[in-house]
Parts: sequence; C-alpha cells; structure tokens
Amino acid sequence: DTAVSQTPKYLVTQMGNDKSIKCEQNLGHDTMYWYKQDSKKFLKIMFSYNNKELIINETVPNRFSPKSPDKAHLNLHINSLELGDSAVYFCASSQALGEGVNTGELFFGEGSRLTVL
Amino acid sequence: RKEVEQDPGPFNVPEGATVAFNCTYSNSASQSFFWYRQDCRKEPKLLMSVYSSGNEDGRFTAQLNRASQYISLLIRDSKLSDSATYLCVVILNQAGTALIFGKGTTLSVSS
Repeated sequence: DTAVSQTPKYLVTQMGNDKSIKCEQNLGHDTMYWYKQDSKKFLKIMFSYNNKELIINETVPNRFSPKSPDKAHLNLHINSLELGDSAVYFCASSQALGEGVNTGELFFGEGSRLTVL
Repeated sequence: RKEVEQDPGPFNVPEGATVAFNCTYSNSASQSFFWYRQDCRKEPKLLMSVYSSGNEDGRFTAQLNRASQYISLLIRDSKLSDSATYLCVVILNQAGTALIFGKGTTLSVSS
C-alpha cells in the first residue's frame, strides 16, 4: 500500500501548456506539502496545507495553484509552463501534532519529474 | 544568509571510514532538527531526529549545538549502502509544518 502517491511520475510537455499533478495520502495526516527539487537538487517548499487550508505559500509564481479537495488530497496545477519549471515535484504529508510536538517526519511521494520543452 | 547551509561535498570515502557532516541554520527560533537521506532519483526519507543532548542510532550519531546554531551527523564504519545525499532539516514553527531543507551533502563510499 503506497502511503503517499502522486501521478504522473513522468510528464513531458511543451512550453505554454497547462498541466496538473495529483497527490493522495492514505496515512490520515492533517498536513500536506508540495516541494520542488531543481537540477541542483535543492528541495524547496512551495505550499503547505493543513486540513484543506493553505498555511504556507512560498514565493512561487501565481501560475502554480494548489487545490485541496479534502485533507487526503493536494493537487498542483501549473499554467503556462516555462522551461524553468522543469524539476521533480514531491508531494509529502505529515502529522502536525500540535504546539511543541512534532515527529518531524515527512512522508514523501516518489516524485513527479516534469520536463518542459 | 541561507536558512539552512550544508557543505555540498561530495565526500568520497573508503568503506570503514568515519565521516562527519555539518549544517548551520540562521533562525535562532528554530524548533526541531532532523537528518534525512535521499538516494539517487528517490524521495527523501527520515534518517534520524537531532536532540540537544545528542543521540545515536547504530553507526549514526547526531549532535545539536543551539548556541552556535550548528547540527552534525557522524557516520562510523561507512558501508557502500551509505552512499546517498544527506539533508539537514530544520522546523521553524511549533506546529511543525514549516520544514526547511538544506541543499544536502553527497556521500560516496567506495570499496
């Protein structure tokens, strides 16, 4: 049973297209994330949702729009794709246990490798 | 100054060697600290938490120095299977939802 699953694993598309990546977790976690890992392997947080509410929105272009229909799903839609969007996008989840208590364990999906031509 | 800084390496060591990685963080209000491991073309996975008193898990020892805002990971008796990228992770908020990753240190263990 895959804990955090994201689809598609690979995505090759042309500049200017719109694409979506889906993510689902079956761990019962309250918090989900999108991270971007670029060619230099730097893993940067993009968004964080807690119980379907956006709690972190780092400086990303507004062409990127996350959507959380329920706490088990966090999808990422990207409009007008650009060459610089090529990267591996990781979805993750964690259980935020409340003030002062957190295991710090993020469970990652296997990543979605996006290539923009 | 970057929030979490690590020496990117690569560290190339023979099997059996002891190797140490360092990490510094800029936000003195950081709450919690961790080391993650990422194998090539795989997702990151939690290796161990880092406690103020220092903690050990088999061949791995993690240390935290809050005064110097410095975290370390020591690997003893390196194995080929330890070859990976090691990511230092800092949690900025008490709810534990703001995890910031360092760029990672690459370790290559050879026979």
